[in-house]
Order: sequence, then structure tokens, then C-alpha cells
Amino acid sequence: QQQVKQSPQSLIVQKGGISIINCAYENTAFDYFPWYQQFPGKGPALLIAIRPDVSEKKEGRFTISFNKSAKQFSLHIMDSQPGDSATYFCAASIENTGNQFYFGTGTSLTVIP
Amino acid sequence: EAQVTQNPRYLITVTGKKLTVTCSQNMNHEYMSWYRQDPGLGLRQIYYSMNVEVTDKGDVPEGYKVSRKEKRNFPLILESPSPNQTSLYFCASRRGLVYEQYFGPGTRLTVT
Repeated sequence: QQQVKQSPQSLIVQKGGISIINCAYENTAFDYFPWYQQFPGKGPALLIAIRPDVSEKKEGRFTISFNKSAKQFSLHIMDSQPGDSATYFCAASIENTGNQFYFGTGTSLTVIP
Repeated sequence: EAQVTQNPRYLITVTGKKLTVTCSQNMNHEYMSWYRQDPGLGLRQIYYSMNVEVTDKGDVPEGYKVSRKEKRNFPLILESPSPNQTSLYFCASRRGLVYEQYFGPGTRLTVT
């Protein structure tokens, strides 16, 4: 079964708007939650990541909000730009036990100029 | 330039014909992984390795083999490919725990 559930599947946002992508997980042992950005024809690239000891992490226009009790985390893209149009994947892993990662199903973001 | 390379980038083959997709990294990373990406399913981990001669199954290992004889290389082997293995494959590496994962450019495999 899907260890990490991601929504929405696709998202269209106006330039300058806020894009929000949500993920939920069940395994409370997960302790590392990265977000990846993928452009067409390229491999995913790490965008931002969070560990459960903080509720929010911000890097430029990108923010992860983390709700440990609800087992949910989300990516917020402020002031969305056409160059942000890409597929975004959330993921989860248990860092101290190895190299196993579980990814969400992806969100295709289109930012309209 | 620090990178993960995969070869070939595109491959069309027939059912049952053994193939190998190579993956190499020049960053001296300990950890490497193989993923497949399918529409609506996201990325799913096939196998991963935490060092030379140390490999383990990911979420979808059936029909695949790997080996890690050298630190820099982590080939993916399909002994008898089937059409349900048609997919986009990514290799990734990371320096170790708590370090980020770097992905290769992908290999698009079609099995007819």
C-alpha cells in the first residue's frame, strides 16, 4: 500500500499565487521528509526537507509545514512563478535504519503567467 | 562535475532478453538506489545499497537484480524483462545518512 499519500494530483495556479501540496503518512517511525522537484526529462532534485523536531522550515519562497500529531506535511510555494512549473514529490524515510525511501505519487504544478 | 550517470538513456527491447542498465557516480557516495517512475504511482524504490557488497530490497524488487562490486557502480539487471517493466528508471546516490540524494537523468525502458 502507498506509505505516503500525496494530493492533489495536479494543480494550476496563477503567477504570484500560493501553491499548496499535501502529504500524509502512517508510519510514525518516519523521521525525514524531503520534497523533490522534477522538470520534464530530468531526474528529481531535492528542494527542501524537514525533520519532525520542527513544525516549519522555510527556504526562500518554499516552506514545509509539518504536523506530527496529524501525520501530515505540506509544501507551500509563495509567489508562484512559471519557472516553478514542474512535478513535485514528497517522500519519507527512517534515517537511522538505512536508505529506504517512500515517495508520494506526485503533483504536476502549472503556474500560469 | 559531480554527477550520477546512467546508460543507456533509452532502450527498447523484447520480452525475455536480458539487459543491464548501468549507474555510476563520481562523488564517492556510500549509498545508492534504483527507482522506477510510473504515471500515477510516483517513484518506487527497487533496490538500495549502503556499501560495497551490501544491498537490500526496496518496495518493488521482483524481476530485478543488482550488484555492488565497486563503490561507484550500481548496475540494475533484468534477467527476463516483461512488458510490465516498461518504465522510467532512476539511479540515485547519497553520501550517507542525513545527506541528500542525487538522481541520475533517467533511463526510459520499453519492453515489447
